[in-house]
Amino acid sequence: DVKVTQSSRYLVKRTGEKVFLECVQDMDHENMFWYRQDPGLGLRLIYFSYDVKMKEKGDIPEGYSVSREKKERFSLILESASTNQTSMYLCASSSGGQGNYEQYFGPGTRLTVT
Amino acid sequence: AQTVTQSQPEMSVQEAETVTLSCTYDTSESNYYLFWYKQPPSRQMILVIRQEAYKQQNATENRFSVNFQKAAKSFSLKISDSQLGDTAMYFCAFMKHNTGNQFYFGTGTSLTVIP
Repeated sequence: DVKVTQSSRYLVKRTGEKVFLECVQDMDHENMFWYRQDPGLGLRLIYFSYDVKMKEKGDIPEGYSVSREKKERFSLILESASTNQTSMYLCASSSGGQGNYEQYFGPGTRLTVT
Repeated sequence: AQTVTQSQPEMSVQEAETVTLSCTYDTSESNYYLFWYKQPPSRQMILVIRQEAYKQQNATENRFSVNFQKAAKSFSLKISDSQLGDTAMYFCAFMKHNTGNQFYFGTGTSLTVIP
């Protein structure tokens, strides 16, 4: 079974802090994604990566950066956390090959910025 | 950008009854994929069902089936014999082939199954 894990389920940070959210997948997937989930807005893509060191902006990249130094690990960085970044953050991965395309999700990190 | 619309923010259904969740999408692509995902309260998002646009036959997975109307750009999810464990947020998603095979999600429908 595909497993996607996230470093924390709950996180509380102060405004201005640098925040790291980590995601690890164990199925050798090429693609990895970071979303934020807010009530009434669904899932919005922040960034995705299709290979090691490769990244693409999603729909709401402002205030975020990402890093993918190893295939299994994809990090989301909030350079200077703000209260409007309080949200649920979901990581997902998918195979780059033909056929499946399913995205597998981690359990999420609920981030509160005070 | 692709848009996916779920017009029913909340729905409820009696246990053992049937419920249909709506989803429409906008695209100029001819080849794409559609998905329904389920997110139970405080639990992980999981895939319910997928549909390839080039297949005319509607996908089914046990009690879950879809009504895929390509011309109308409609992709509804039918849940038969609803169970308490079906209580969840349901998200419709669209994917076209591109770098990374990005998904576009709707805003979700919160379904409550009433005992």
